[in-house]
Amino acid sequence: SQQGEEDPQALSIQEGENATMNCSYKTSINNLQWYRQNSGRGLVHLILIRSNEREKHSGRLRVTLDTSKKSSSLLITASRAADTASYFCATGDTGGGAQKLVFGQGTRLTINP
Amino acid sequence: EPEVTQTPSHQVTQMGQEVILRCVPISNHLYFYWYRQILGQKVEFLVSFYNNEISEKSEIFDDQFSVERPDGSNFTLKIRSTKLEDSAMYFCASSVQGEAKNIQYFGAGTRLSVL
Repeated sequence: SQQGEEDPQALSIQEGENATMNCSYKTSINNLQWYRQNSGRGLVHLILIRSNEREKHSGRLRVTLDTSKKSSSLLITASRAADTASYFCATGDTGGGAQKLVFGQGTRLTINP
Repeated sequence: EPEVTQTPSHQVTQMGQEVILRCVPISNHLYFYWYRQILGQKVEFLVSFYNNEISEKSEIFDDQFSVERPDGSNFTLKIRSTKLEDSAMYFCASSVQGEAKNIQYFGAGTRLSVL
């Protein structure tokens, strides 16, 4: 698999349920980020976790990072119809200077009312 | 809230023609990027730009591509002679200095269709 592979590729759940998406990567990283993309729109930054962090919270979002397994998960609790979007993990390899982000294929999340 | 703006939202061009995609990054940002997303595929890094020069470029960013910051506000991507396979969404992004520079703010994208 390539850097930043998410699974599942598609996830459909009922409103109110929790959604969990996973991401795996191959190389060493400085940070890992999650972005959301609504259909036909740009990417919106959700949360960043640094390589020396294990867990981070932001509102209904919870991100974990396991550098030994080179994997991360994004949990969205109490999902809403507005959470319907594609979610991408992106790894950054440097803490200094301009940073290239390497994106995964994304998980398409559908929240059914 | 400040945002990255891109124009046009959709550009249709004939194969072999030159196109310029325009971006206005967030005003106090110093790092600038272009990415592209071919339909149904992942977002791919093209180039990063800082202090009026390219910091890094990918294999995709060959001699047909160039970037420029012609004034204090615009950041452009030029494709000199477009190919069919250049059809994609092109996203501009920018970031600040310091701790927050790892977070990139993306524009809504320009859909380039090469016929």
